Amino acid sequence: AQSVSQHNHHVILSEAASLELGCNYSYGGTVNLFWYVQYPGQHLQLLLKYFSGDPLVKGIKGFEAEFIKSKFSFNLRKPSVQWSDTAEYFCAVSGSGTYKYIFGTGTRLKVLA
Amino acid sequence: GAVVSQHPSRVICKSGTSVKIECRSLDFQATTMFWYRQFPKQSLMLMATSNEGSKATYEQGVEKDKFLINHASLTLSTLTVTSAHPEDSSFYICSAQVVGGRTTYEQYFGPGTRLTVT
Repeated sequence: AQSVSQHNHHVILSEAASLELGCNYSYGGTVNLFWYVQYPGQHLQLLLKYFSGDPLVKGIKGFEAEFIKSKFSFNLRKPSVQWSDTAEYFCAVSGSGTYKYIFGTGTRLKVLA
Repeated sequence: GAVVSQHPSRVICKSGTSVKIECRSLDFQATTMFWYRQFPKQSLMLMATSNEGSKATYEQGVEKDKFLINHASLTLSTLTVTSAHPEDSSFYICSAQVVGGRTTYEQYFGPGTRLTVT
């Protein structure tokens, strides 16, 4: 079955700490991968995406993610988080040739000032 | 660019009534729009895929007669919750895909509509 797993449901960090959020997927075939962020009271915004090419992708606000095909993973990283990064983060997968997303359950990040 | 709006942002209705939610792509044309439902502290669950000028495709377990979707133009899709019940209370989110180009697989999300059925 197609699925996306985000292992960390809640993460609490202090400002300037490094962040890594896990995302693993189960999907046959070529995939497109996404990380979205949902700030409190706001709509989902795209952080970064991977379609093909360099497996290390850089997104907005200093975030990056690495696609490791052999591990079916697309982990999100940020070297130094800020209080303003407090939000919920969603990993999503779509199959090549299909437009439908499968979302992970989300990770709530709280950054302490 | 690529802004999606939803109206209303919040709605409270009585059990048994119907509610219509609009989703508009403001500055681009979207051949495909998606409707999601988000339960508290849970992920987004895809309800249906809406293509302009054709019938919506519903996900397994979603009642098509209860959640009526109309995609009348390249910039507007509507979701009507018919005969709403308290268990339909939820956060409904739409998204739209840009036609063509490298962003074909990217979805742009609306701000969501909080539905409360009393």
